[in-house]
Amino acid sequence: AQSVSQHNHHVILSEAASLELGCNYSYGGTVNLFWYVQYPGQHLQLLLKYFSGDPLVKGIKGFEAEFIKSKFSFNLRKPSVQWSDTAEYFCAVGGWNQGGKLIFGQGTELSVKP
Amino acid sequence: GAVVSQHPSRVICKSGTSVKIECRSLDFQATTMFWYRQFPKQSLMLMATSNEGSKATYEQGVEKDKFLINHASLTLSTLTVTSAHPEDSSFYICSARQSGAQSYNEQFFGPGTRLTVL
Repeated sequence: AQSVSQHNHHVILSEAASLELGCNYSYGGTVNLFWYVQYPGQHLQLLLKYFSGDPLVKGIKGFEAEFIKSKFSFNLRKPSVQWSDTAEYFCAVGGWNQGGKLIFGQGTELSVKP
Repeated sequence: GAVVSQHPSRVICKSGTSVKIECRSLDFQATTMFWYRQFPKQSLMLMATSNEGSKATYEQGVEKDKFLINHASLTLSTLTVTSAHPEDSSFYICSARQSGAQSYNEQFFGPGTRLTVL
């Protein structure tokens, strides 16, 4: 069965610290990969996406993610977090034969201390 | 571009009543829309896939007679929670998918509807 696993449920960092959130998926075919962010009280916003090509993708607000096919991973990174990055982060995977459906990870709550 | 709206944003209803939630793609056509449910501090759980002009496809464990989905046009899908009960209280989120091979799986999300059943 397809699945998405986010390793960290709650991450607490100080401002300017570096961030890496893990995401591993289980799927046997071609995938599209996404990271979404949900700020408190707001709706999901797309941070970045990977469809094909360069496995290192850059998104909005200084975020980037690297697709490592051999490890079935798509980890999210940011060199220096800000207090405004406090939010819930979701990794999602879509398979080409899944009718457009996305499978979401459990989410990681990021708290950045000023 | 690619904006999805939901209405209402919040609704409070009495147990036993029905509630309709609308999901609209404002600047693109969406042949497929998805309905999710999100409990506090949890991830999004896909409830059903809504295809324009055809019956919705429900995920395992989702009661199709309780959660009625209608996708009557390329820009509108509705979710009706029938005979709502307190356990149906949740955050309901819709998304819409743009057509095209490159963006095959990209979905754009609405702001969600907070349903509280008293």
